[in-house]
Amino acid sequence: DIQMTQSPSSLSASVGDRVTITCRASQSITSFLNWYQQKPGKAPKLLIYAASSLQSGVPSRFSGSGSGTDFTLTIISLQPEDFATYYCQQSYSTPRTFGQGTKVEIK
Amino acid sequence: QVQLQQWGAGLLKPSETLSLTCAVSGGSFSGYYWNWIRQPPGKGLEWIGEINHRGSTNYNPSLKSRVTISVDTSKNQFSLRLSSVTAADTAVYSCARGHPTAAAGMGYFDYWGLGTLVTVSS
Repeated sequence: DIQMTQSPSSLSASVGDRVTITCRASQSITSFLNWYQQKPGKAPKLLIYAASSLQSGVPSRFSGSGSGTDFTLTIISLQPEDFATYYCQQSYSTPRTFGQGTKVEIK
Repeated sequence: QVQLQQWGAGLLKPSETLSLTCAVSGGSFSGYYWNWIRQPPGKGLEWIGEINHRGSTNYNPSLKSRVTISVDTSKNQFSLRLSSVTAADTAVYSCARGHPTAAAGMGYFDYWGLGTLVTVSS
């Protein structure tokens, strides 16, 4: 299985801050990396697919980058509705695997 | 708008079989993979498996011996059965559409059901 490791596991930030979350794969997954946002009691919401493509309807303050084994999700100017848990997920091979999540909390 | 509506028993005893069904509406059933994903309380996401409209399946090896995913194309539904459940299977189970593309490989999960909390307790 491909292991996905996110860092940090949690972070505290203020509205307006720039936030960066990192995801590392245990082997190359080319650009087959997706990012999700999950709020308590809700299903995950797709934000970014194929490492850097913004899902329709997702605000442009979200962006993704990376290839191979190292990937980044960036939120510029964090908004109140962005406080949530974020997961990366590889779509390179079966089984599909997720990172352990990064919880973004209000400072 | 694609919608996934899921249902099934929420309380099971150890050794029983978990059974959930997900109905798809508002979009094409073919051309996608239909997935089950679970999340234990307070923990991360685990992919269980997937099926397409032809009935071709892929399973997580960690669960493969206990999992069966089936499809009913006449109703645009797919189902999950997980046998011999234990407390470790307690989780929110969600169905999701897998969208494979050349750029995204085996696909991203773009539509999700609301999730069903399944509790295994004696």
